[in-house]
Amino acid sequence: GENVEQHPSTLSVQEGDSAVIKCTYSDSASNYFPWYKQELGKRPQLIIDIRSNVGEKKDQRIAVTLNKTAKHFSLHITETQPEDSAVYFCAASSGDSNYQLIWGAGTKLIIKP
Amino acid sequence: DGGITQSPKYLFRKEGQNVTLSCEQNLNHDAMYWYRQDPGQGLRLIYYSQIVNDFQKGDIAEGYSVSREKKESFPLTVTSAQKNPTAFYLCASSMSGSGGYEQYFGPGTRLTVT
Repeated sequence: GENVEQHPSTLSVQEGDSAVIKCTYSDSASNYFPWYKQELGKRPQLIIDIRSNVGEKKDQRIAVTLNKTAKHFSLHITETQPEDSAVYFCAASSGDSNYQLIWGAGTKLIIKP
Repeated sequence: DGGITQSPKYLFRKEGQNVTLSCEQNLNHDAMYWYRQDPGQGLRLIYYSQIVNDFQKGDIAEGYSVSREKKESFPLTVTSAQKNPTAFYLCASSMSGSGGYEQYFGPGTRLTVT
């Protein structure tokens, strides 16, 4: 079946350093790849997304890269700040029904002061 | 003020009781979803609906039921058949059709069953 693998499950970085989270998807028909941030006790919120016709997208300190051939995509956060501490989820659109998302298991990002 | 709302924020029930969680959206989205999230875990799909009067089981539908009588509303009933109902429940909505779309989440309902 369709699945998305996300690594690492926990990532601890020094404030000001960069953080990278990686996801691999199984369905070659997936064409939409969002990243969500979930703070403790809150709802997940979209922080950046990318479509399969684009290889990279940036928004200030956040960037996402997509390698369709290898079926993986990554989230890059530069100059990390304490408010970046949260759980991050990647997802890929389902090839069976495009409006559904297949979710990664999440990465807990800890920013050390 | 457009968005997706869930009520109540916290819900307490005794074991053996059915309970219904509310989800309403005014984003004019066709698709709606229910997810369950356990502490420190990811999102697991319970049910989803692409259109009024139609819905599909997700990965963990056993012990849950839904209805979609209106485009704006997608209530979830947690039945007494659900073995471990205590969890954080998130409702979401999105556009549908080909291409993949952002899912917008409600604030969630934290259900505790004792």
